[in-house]
Amino acid sequence: QVQLQESGPGLVKPSETLSLTCAVSGYSISSGYYWGWIRQPPGKGLEWIGSIYHSGSTYYNPSLKSRVTISVDTSKNQFSLKLSSVTAADTAVYYCARSALERYFDYWGQGTLVTVSS
Amino acid sequence: SYELTQPLSVSVALGQTARITCGGNNIGSKNVHWYQQKPGQAPVLVIYRDSNRPSGIPERFSGSNSGNTATLTISRAQAGDEADYYCQVWDSSILFGGGTKLTVL
Repeated sequence: QVQLQESGPGLVKPSETLSLTCAVSGYSISSGYYWGWIRQPPGKGLEWIGSIYHSGSTYYNPSLKSRVTISVDTSKNQFSLKLSSVTAADTAVYYCARSALERYFDYWGQGTLVTVSS
Repeated sequence: SYELTQPLSVSVALGQTARITCGGNNIGSKNVHWYQQKPGQAPVLVIYRDSNRPSGIPERFSGSNSGNTATLTISRAQAGDEADYYCQVWDSSILFGGGTKLTVL
Protein backbone atom coordinates (compact mmCIF):
# COMPACT_ATOMS: atom_id res chain seq x y z
CA GLN A 1 0.00 0.00 0.00
CA VAL A 2 1.41 3.35 -1.06
CA GLN A 3 1.59 5.86 1.78
CA LEU A 4 2.68 9.48 1.79
CA GLN A 5 3.47 11.61 4.84
CA GLU A 6 4.11 15.34 4.86
CA SER A 7 6.43 16.93 7.39
CA GLY A 8 7.75 20.40 8.09
CA PRO A 9 7.20 23.52 10.19
CA GLY A 10 3.60 24.40 10.95
CA LEU A 11 4.40 28.09 11.31
CA VAL A 12 6.37 30.25 8.89
CA LYS A 13 7.04 33.96 9.10
CA PRO A 14 5.99 36.31 6.28
CA SER A 15 8.65 36.78 3.58
CA GLU A 16 10.42 33.56 4.60
CA THR A 17 10.54 30.23 2.75
CA LEU A 18 8.10 27.42 3.43
CA SER A 19 9.75 24.00 3.28
CA LEU A 20 7.95 20.67 3.37
CA THR A 21 8.99 17.09 2.74
CA CYS A 22 6.88 14.14 1.66
CA ALA A 23 8.11 10.71 2.66
CA VAL A 24 6.84 7.88 0.46
CA SER A 25 6.51 4.27 1.60
CA GLY A 26 5.19 1.20 -0.17
CA TYR A 27 6.47 2.37 -3.56
CA SER A 28 9.83 3.44 -4.91
CA ILE A 29 9.75 6.96 -6.36
CA SER A 30 12.43 5.98 -8.86
CA SER A 31 10.07 3.37 -10.35
CA GLY A 32 7.92 6.03 -11.99
CA TYR A 33 4.84 8.24 -11.61
CA TYR A 34 4.66 11.94 -10.93
CA TRP A 35 4.75 13.31 -7.39
CA GLY A 36 2.93 16.50 -6.60
CA TRP A 37 1.95 19.14 -4.09
CA ILE A 38 -1.56 20.52 -3.68
CA ARG A 39 -2.76 23.05 -1.14
CA GLN A 40 -6.08 24.08 0.33
CA PRO A 41 -6.57 27.38 2.18
CA PRO A 42 -8.94 27.10 5.15
CA GLY A 43 -12.51 26.79 3.92
CA LYS A 44 -11.50 26.97 0.26
CA GLY A 45 -10.86 24.68 -2.67
CA LEU A 46 -7.87 22.74 -3.94
CA GLU A 47 -4.99 24.37 -5.76
CA TRP A 48 -2.27 22.44 -7.52
CA ILE A 49 1.21 23.79 -6.77
CA GLY A 50 3.48 21.64 -8.90
CA SER A 51 4.73 18.15 -9.68
CA ILE A 52 7.97 16.32 -10.29
CA TYR A 53 8.66 13.21 -12.32
CA HIS A 54 10.87 10.50 -10.85
CA SER A 55 13.60 11.59 -13.27
CA GLY A 56 13.56 15.07 -11.72
CA SER A 57 11.73 17.02 -14.41
CA THR A 58 9.29 19.48 -12.94
CA TYR A 59 6.22 21.47 -13.90
CA TYR A 60 4.57 24.15 -11.86
CA ASN A 61 1.36 26.11 -11.54
CA PRO A 62 2.06 29.26 -13.60
CA SER A 63 0.59 31.44 -10.85
CA LEU A 64 3.18 30.15 -8.33
CA LYS A 65 6.05 29.23 -10.61
CA SER A 66 8.30 32.14 -9.66
CA ARG A 67 8.26 31.10 -5.99
CA VAL A 68 8.17 27.29 -6.14
CA THR A 69 10.88 24.66 -6.21
CA ILE A 70 10.13 20.94 -6.04
CA SER A 71 12.93 18.43 -5.76
CA VAL A 72 13.23 14.68 -5.32
CA ASP A 73 15.63 12.54 -3.28
CA THR A 74 15.32 9.00 -4.56
CA SER A 75 17.87 7.71 -2.04
CA LYS A 76 15.51 8.70 0.78
CA ASN A 77 12.38 8.01 -1.26
CA GLN A 78 11.03 11.48 -0.63
CA PHE A 79 10.34 14.73 -2.43
CA SER A 80 10.23 18.29 -1.19
CA LEU A 81 8.55 21.64 -1.68
CA LYS A 82 10.00 25.08 -1.19
CA LEU A 83 7.79 28.14 -1.50
CA SER A 84 9.58 31.45 -1.12
CA SER A 85 8.45 34.91 -0.01
CA VAL A 86 5.35 33.62 1.71
CA THR A 87 2.46 35.80 2.82
CA ALA A 88 -0.71 35.13 4.81
CA ALA A 89 -2.33 34.07 1.54
CA ASP A 90 -0.08 30.99 1.56
CA THR A 91 -1.67 29.73 4.78
CA ALA A 92 -3.18 26.38 3.85
CA VAL A 93 -3.23 22.66 4.35
CA TYR A 94 -0.51 21.28 2.09
CA TYR A 95 -0.94 17.82 0.61
CA CYS A 96 1.53 15.65 -1.23
CA ALA A 97 0.20 13.09 -3.67
CA ARG A 98 1.13 10.62 -6.40
CA SER A 99 -0.19 11.19 -9.88
CA ALA A 100 -0.46 8.95 -12.87
CA LEU A 101 0.52 9.89 -16.41
CA GLU A 102 -3.00 11.22 -16.95
CA ARG A 103 -2.31 13.57 -14.03
CA TYR A 104 -4.96 12.31 -11.63
CA PHE A 105 -3.90 11.88 -8.01
CA ASP A 106 -4.44 8.35 -6.74
CA TYR A 107 -2.65 8.45 -3.39
CA TRP A 108 -2.60 11.40 -1.00
CA GLY A 109 -0.88 12.27 2.24
CA GLN A 110 -3.00 13.30 5.21
CA GLY A 111 -2.03 16.95 4.77
CA THR A 112 -0.24 19.39 7.01
CA LEU A 113 -1.41 22.84 8.03
CA VAL A 114 1.09 25.62 7.45
CA THR A 115 0.27 29.01 8.91
CA VAL A 116 2.09 32.13 7.77
CA SER A 117 2.22 34.60 10.61
CA SER A 118 4.72 36.70 12.51
CA SER B 1 -6.67 30.22 -19.16
CA TYR B 2 -8.98 27.22 -18.87
CA GLU B 3 -11.65 27.31 -16.19
CA LEU B 4 -13.82 24.67 -14.55
CA THR B 5 -17.22 25.60 -13.17
CA GLN B 6 -19.02 23.60 -10.49
CA PRO B 7 -22.21 24.44 -8.60
CA LEU B 8 -21.49 25.50 -5.04
CA SER B 9 -23.98 23.03 -3.62
CA VAL B 10 -26.19 20.11 -4.57
CA SER B 11 -28.83 18.46 -2.41
CA VAL B 12 -30.24 14.97 -2.79
CA ALA B 13 -32.77 12.95 -0.85
CA LEU B 14 -31.53 9.82 0.83
CA GLY B 15 -31.61 6.94 -1.64
CA GLN B 16 -32.04 9.16 -4.69
CA THR B 17 -29.58 10.07 -7.44
CA ALA B 18 -27.24 13.05 -7.18
CA ARG B 19 -25.61 14.64 -10.20
CA ILE B 20 -22.71 17.05 -9.85
CA THR B 21 -21.62 18.91 -12.95
CA CYS B 22 -18.31 20.33 -14.03
CA GLY B 23 -18.42 22.79 -16.89
CA GLY B 24 -15.60 23.80 -19.19
CA ASN B 25 -15.05 24.79 -22.80
CA ASN B 26 -15.09 21.55 -24.81
CA ILE B 27 -14.37 19.60 -21.64
CA GLY B 28 -15.50 16.49 -23.50
CA SER B 29 -12.11 16.49 -25.24
CA LYS B 30 -10.28 16.22 -21.93
CA ASN B 31 -9.91 13.53 -19.28
CA VAL B 32 -11.89 14.51 -16.18
CA HIS B 33 -11.17 13.16 -12.73
CA TRP B 34 -13.29 13.47 -9.58
CA TYR B 35 -12.40 13.58 -5.88
CA GLN B 36 -14.46 13.27 -2.73
CA GLN B 37 -13.32 15.18 0.34
CA LYS B 38 -14.89 14.79 3.77
CA PRO B 39 -14.24 17.36 6.52
CA GLY B 40 -10.74 17.16 7.94
CA GLN B 41 -9.66 14.48 5.49
CA ALA B 42 -7.56 14.33 2.35
CA PRO B 43 -9.34 14.07 -0.99
CA VAL B 44 -10.08 10.60 -2.33
CA LEU B 45 -10.14 9.78 -6.04
CA VAL B 46 -13.58 8.43 -6.95
CA ILE B 47 -13.55 8.64 -10.77
CA TYR B 48 -10.62 8.90 -13.18
CA ARG B 49 -10.54 9.36 -16.93
CA ASP B 50 -14.19 10.42 -17.10
CA SER B 51 -15.82 7.20 -16.01
CA ASN B 52 -13.39 4.77 -14.37
CA ARG B 53 -13.69 3.78 -10.73
CA PRO B 54 -10.60 3.03 -8.64
CA SER B 55 -10.74 -0.19 -6.67
CA GLY B 56 -12.75 0.18 -3.49
CA ILE B 57 -15.08 2.85 -4.86
CA PRO B 58 -18.72 1.68 -4.92
CA GLU B 59 -20.46 1.09 -8.24
CA ARG B 60 -22.94 3.77 -7.16
CA PHE B 61 -20.36 6.31 -8.32
CA SER B 62 -20.20 6.87 -12.07
CA GLY B 63 -19.04 9.57 -14.44
CA SER B 64 -19.67 10.87 -17.92
CA ASN B 65 -18.18 13.59 -20.07
CA SER B 66 -19.43 15.16 -23.27
CA GLY B 67 -19.52 18.54 -24.90
CA ASN B 68 -19.03 21.28 -22.33
CA THR B 69 -20.11 19.29 -19.26
CA ALA B 70 -18.73 16.42 -17.23
CA THR B 71 -21.01 14.81 -14.66
CA LEU B 72 -20.41 12.80 -11.52
CA THR B 73 -23.46 10.68 -10.69
CA ILE B 74 -24.05 9.15 -7.28
CA SER B 75 -26.86 6.61 -7.26
CA ARG B 76 -28.78 5.57 -4.14
CA ALA B 77 -27.19 8.39 -2.17
CA GLN B 78 -26.22 7.61 1.39
CA ALA B 79 -25.55 9.84 4.38
CA GLY B 80 -21.89 8.87 4.10
CA ASP B 81 -21.72 10.46 0.63
CA GLU B 82 -22.04 13.94 2.14
CA ALA B 83 -18.81 15.65 1.19
CA ASP B 84 -17.19 18.17 -1.08
CA TYR B 85 -16.58 16.96 -4.62
CA TYR B 86 -13.95 18.37 -6.98
CA CYS B 87 -13.42 17.82 -10.68
CA GLN B 88 -9.94 18.06 -12.15
CA VAL B 89 -8.42 18.22 -15.62
CA TRP B 90 -5.05 18.67 -17.28
CA ASP B 91 -4.75 21.64 -19.63
CA SER B 92 -1.04 22.42 -19.75
CA SER B 93 -1.47 22.63 -16.00
CA ILE B 94 -3.45 20.73 -13.41
CA LEU B 95 -6.73 22.48 -12.71
CA PHE B 96 -9.37 21.83 -10.08
CA GLY B 97 -12.96 22.98 -10.12
CA GLY B 98 -14.12 25.13 -7.24
CA GLY B 99 -15.84 22.22 -5.53
CA THR B 100 -19.44 21.24 -4.83
CA LYS B 101 -20.85 20.54 -1.40
CA LEU B 102 -23.21 17.56 -1.54
CA THR B 103 -25.92 17.45 1.11
CA VAL B 104 -27.94 14.27 1.62
CA LEU B 105 -31.35 15.11 3.05
